[in-house]
Amino acid sequence: DVKVTQSSRYLVKRTGEKVFLECVQDMDHENMFWYRQDPGLGLRLIYFSYDVKMKEKGDIPEGYSVSREKKERFSLILESASTNQTSMYLCASSLPGTGTRRTFGSGTRLTVV
Amino acid sequence: TQLLEQSPQFLSIQEGENLTVYCNSSSVFSSLQWYRQEPGEGPVLLVTVVTGGEVKKLKRLTFQFGDARKDSSLHITAAQPGDTGLYLCAGEWGGSNYKLTFGKGTLLTVNP
Repeated sequence: DVKVTQSSRYLVKRTGEKVFLECVQDMDHENMFWYRQDPGLGLRLIYFSYDVKMKEKGDIPEGYSVSREKKERFSLILESASTNQTSMYLCASSLPGTGTRRTFGSGTRLTVV
Repeated sequence: TQLLEQSPQFLSIQEGENLTVYCNSSSVFSSLQWYRQEPGEGPVLLVTVVTGGEVKKLKRLTFQFGDARKDSSLHITAAQPGDTGLYLCAGEWGGSNYKLTFGKGTLLTVNP
């Protein structure tokens, strides 16, 4: 069964810390995505990558960066965590082309205190 | 970014009832996907519709894509408690898989 694995289910970090969220997929997908999901706001795209070392900003990239050194791994970095970055973070991957499904990980619930 | 409006936002019904969830936009989408998300998990794809007027069935779930490809609906017949979850529509636009806009979701609770 194909999988997208996020390294942590729950994470508590302090304001100002640098936070790394890791995501690994085993489907050899070219595309990988990071979303955050908040009540009343839905899923919002932070960054995506369509190839190794390639990245594009999504709708809400401020305060975040990403790294994709290997095809299977896509990392989300919070440079200096703030309380308004408390959220559910979802990683997804997909094949290229239109109409292809996103396969999501189970999410990381990040709390910044 | 294109906008997708989902309605209703919340729906609580009894087992055996029928329901319809709507997904509307002023934009034309090249395809539209429906996902279901259970608590503590990521969304899982249910169906993709591509052609205007297309109807797809998945057991008790019926999905329809509007003729103008600006709207879609999900109808569930004889809802079961196992149907409980957050239903998300997502529209793909601009001919690019990167540009997938999600609606805010409909939270469905089916009571036994």
